[in-house]
Amino acid sequence: SQTIHQWPATLVQPVGSPLSLECTVEGTSNPNLYWYRQAAGRGLQLLFYSVGIGQISSEVPQNLSASRPQDRQFILSSKKLLLSDSGFYLCAWSFTSNQPQHFGDGTRLSIL
Amino acid sequence: SQQGEEDPQALSIQEGENATMNCSYKTSINNLQWYRQNSGRGLVHLILIRSNEREKHSGRLRVTLDTSKKSSSLLITASRAADTASYFCATDTAGKLIFGQGTTLQVKP
Repeated sequence: SQTIHQWPATLVQPVGSPLSLECTVEGTSNPNLYWYRQAAGRGLQLLFYSVGIGQISSEVPQNLSASRPQDRQFILSSKKLLLSDSGFYLCAWSFTSNQPQHFGDGTRLSIL
Repeated sequence: SQQGEEDPQALSIQEGENATMNCSYKTSINNLQWYRQNSGRGLVHLILIRSNEREKHSGRLRVTLDTSKKSSSLLITASRAADTASYFCATDTAGKLIFGQGTTLQVKP
């Protein structure tokens, strides 16, 4: 069966510091991968998605970037965090588009 | 951008009662999906209904889709305290999911 791992679970970072959140999927190959952000009490906003290694689509212009260095690894990064980057970040995978997505347990990021 | 709008935003019921949540959207879709989120956790997929389907069942869940009205509903029958969570609809357009704001369901024992 497939599993998705996302870490860390919580992170507190100062403004201006860099960020690296990692997500890995096991048990499948060439999944679609997604990064979402969820503000408190709100729905999910799609940030990035990837259909293959090195293929990243950005949905919202922002202070963040994503990379997919390996088939089942998806990384969310920032060179300098802003206060507005605080939130709950979720990684997800699916077999293909138009299929259910399967989510990790998320990273709660607080910027001080 | 948000496409799905859920109604109500919050719902509180007694154990054993049925819970109905509604979702409206604006553009044409490939499918519509419902997800559940327990507090502080990731989302769990519940059910997917394709644009050419009108109703789908999964255990105590019943989902309807009316593409002419651009709306969907999720019915949870015989609710349990463990059903307490937030429920989101998500519309699949061009292979990407757009989530609504969610309905927070509280089931009192």
